[in-house]
Amino acid sequence: DQQVKQNSPSLSVQEGRISILNCDYTNSMFDYFLWYKKYPAEGPTFLISISSIKDKNEDGRFTVFLNKSAKHLSLHIVPSQPGDSAVYFCAARLNTGNQFYFGTGTSLTVIP
Amino acid sequence: VTQNPRYLITVTGKKLTVTCSQNMNHEYMSWYRQDPGMGLKLIYYSVGAGITDKGEVPNGYNVSRSTTEDFPLRLELAAPSQTSVYFCASIDFGPEAFFGQGTGLTVV
Repeated sequence: DQQVKQNSPSLSVQEGRISILNCDYTNSMFDYFLWYKKYPAEGPTFLISISSIKDKNEDGRFTVFLNKSAKHLSLHIVPSQPGDSAVYFCAARLNTGNQFYFGTGTSLTVIP
Repeated sequence: VTQNPRYLITVTGKKLTVTCSQNMNHEYMSWYRQDPGMGLKLIYYSVGAGITDKGEVPNGYNVSRSTTEDFPLRLELAAPSQTSVYFCASIDFGPEAFFGQGTGLTVV
């Protein structure tokens, strides 16, 4: 029962263009949504989050959009850089505590 | 967040422990496993010293939390199905978690 889904296993984008990573969820009890970035042989590192009461959060080149009615969020990276090449995980936190549910990840490749 | 060892190969039926420690005084700590092509699945979590609870996939694992800093993961009888990469994480007031570098476990 996958409560957080990332349907695109991989994405390739030209340097300088926009990268859009998508995530869908099923549980209405999530209160925070987060994006993590993961390089090979390393642990995930936090990138950006959004509260369920907001629809947009921006941090530099990274913007997360939340559409609660569609139970969908997306991460926009503008402009994309080769160093952004990594696996990106979408995660959601249950409002009952610090339990996180993760998607299966999207591998982003930014082509120079 | 520090995990040890980074890599481990063991045989079926062995007992083993993966250690996790943090020096950020975080109350909440958790263990995840990641199988190839899959997301992270919560094994166990702890909201403070002396308190632990099961996550999504707890079978075959055990944990304890005697101090705020340490949260070891134990496999009592290692099985090939437990071959995976394991991540320890700690959280302050949230919502973001801080992850260790991971432990790659192979059970043959």
